[in-house]
Amino acid sequence: QQQVKQSPQSLIVQKGGISIINCAYENTAFDYFPWYQQFPGKGPALLIAIRPDVSEKKEGRFTISFNKSAKQFSLHIMDSQPGDSATYFCAAYSGAGSYQLTFGKGTKLSVIP
Amino acid sequence: NAGVTQTPKFRILKIGQSMTLQCAQDMNHNYMYWYRQDPGMGLKLIYYSVGAGITDKGEVPNGYNVSRSTTEDFPLRLELAAPSQTSVYFCASNVEGGNQPQHFGDGTRLSIL
Repeated sequence: QQQVKQSPQSLIVQKGGISIINCAYENTAFDYFPWYQQFPGKGPALLIAIRPDVSEKKEGRFTISFNKSAKQFSLHIMDSQPGDSATYFCAAYSGAGSYQLTFGKGTKLSVIP
Repeated sequence: NAGVTQTPKFRILKIGQSMTLQCAQDMNHNYMYWYRQDPGMGLKLIYYSVGAGITDKGEVPNGYNVSRSTTEDFPLRLELAAPSQTSVYFCASNVEGGNQPQHFGDGTRLSIL
C-alpha cells in the first residue's frame, strides 16, 4: 500500500531549538522524497527534497536525513524561528507507472519566542 | 508571473448544487493536479492531467469531474454537492511529473451545507 506515515501531528519548539519531523514509508519503489511547507491560507510550497542515493541533504537551516534500510526520512530545522511556524508535509514519489505524489498527513509546527 | 491561480477563494454551496472550481497556470506546465485537503488528513489527489486532452483519476475521484482543453486551464466540476465534499481544494502544476516541484495555488475553501 502506498502510504507515508508522518509524526508527530503537532510540534511546539522554542525559538533557537531544533525541530524534527519524521516520516516512514513501505513502498521500496519510492525514489523521490520532497518536503512541502504550508502557511495558513496558502498552498504548499516545496521546501527541500532528497533522492535515495544520498543519506543527507542540507539547505540552510533545513536538513533531510534519509535511512534507506529503515525506510525512514526526517526533516530537521536548526535554530527554529517563529517564521518557521507552518504545517510541513513529507511526500514520496515512485516513477514506476505513476505520476502521483503520496503525502503524509502533515505536522503543525509552532515555534514560540 | 502569477503562477497558479484558483478561483473562487471561498464558496458556500447547498446540498445538490453544482459548481466549477477554476484553475489556471501561466508557466506552460504540462502536468496539472487537483487535491483536496481535510484537517489532519494531508492532501489527497482527486484528478490529474499530463497534457491538454488527457486526464486520469487520482485517489479520490468520486463526485468530481475534470476537463483539460488547454495547457493553461484545468477546471474541477462538482456535480450534486454533498457535505462530504466540504474541504479546501488545491490545484497544482509542474513541468513533467511527480519528481519535479509542484507549484500550488492558494486554494478554494468550499463549504456545503
